[in-house]
Amino acid sequence: AQSVTQLGSHVSVSEGALVLLRCNYSSSVPPYLFWYVQYPNQGLQLLLKYTSAATLVKGINGFEAEFKKSETSFHLTKPSAHMSDAAEYFCAVTNTSGTYKYIFGTGTRLKVLA
Amino acid sequence: GAVVSQHPSRVICKSGTSVKIECRSLDFQATTMFWYRQFPKQSLMLMATSNEGSKATYEQGVEKDKFLINHASLTLSTLTVTSAHPEDSSFYICSARVRRTVAGGLDEQFFGPGTRLTVL
Repeated sequence: AQSVTQLGSHVSVSEGALVLLRCNYSSSVPPYLFWYVQYPNQGLQLLLKYTSAATLVKGINGFEAEFKKSETSFHLTKPSAHMSDAAEYFCAVTNTSGTYKYIFGTGTRLKVLA
Repeated sequence: GAVVSQHPSRVICKSGTSVKIECRSLDFQATTMFWYRQFPKQSLMLMATSNEGSKATYEQGVEKDKFLINHASLTLSTLTVTSAHPEDSSFYICSARVRRTVAGGLDEQFFGPGTRLTVL
């Protein structure tokens, strides 16, 4: 079975400050991991994905995440927050066998303060 | 590439009526589509997996007679909420699975923009 835990349902940062959104996973098989962003009343937009290649993954809008197997983590970071980064962020896990279901975390709402 | 559309984007209906939501893969064929439900300020919960030409597989706790899923073609899946009630009001999101082109690669899901259902 697979699961994802996102620590912190709400995170506030000042504009220009570092963004760190935490995601820990549990998986009995090698996982594939994703970060998605969702703006109000919209669907999900893929930020980045880990697919067992490089452990440091760079995504869109300046975001990146590092897969750490020893810590079972896949935290999302951005060096400098922008007001437009305010949104809901979801971490998800899947694998390459079985039903290909995506398991989502509970989400983290990022607030960027001026 | 890999664009998924949903129609309608918003729908308001009276209690007791049925509502159909369409999910289309615009530029690829999707043998599998997924339907999710999202309550306000919550995560996405998988409702069912829809496979072209076969019956959908529902997650535990999802009423198959209430949420009818049809996957009639490789580019279209529909979700019909039958006899809708106010508690069915939610944001419904579909996704379509893209077959990997490289052996051992990842089958990715691409998400639609969602449909906001409000039942009065």
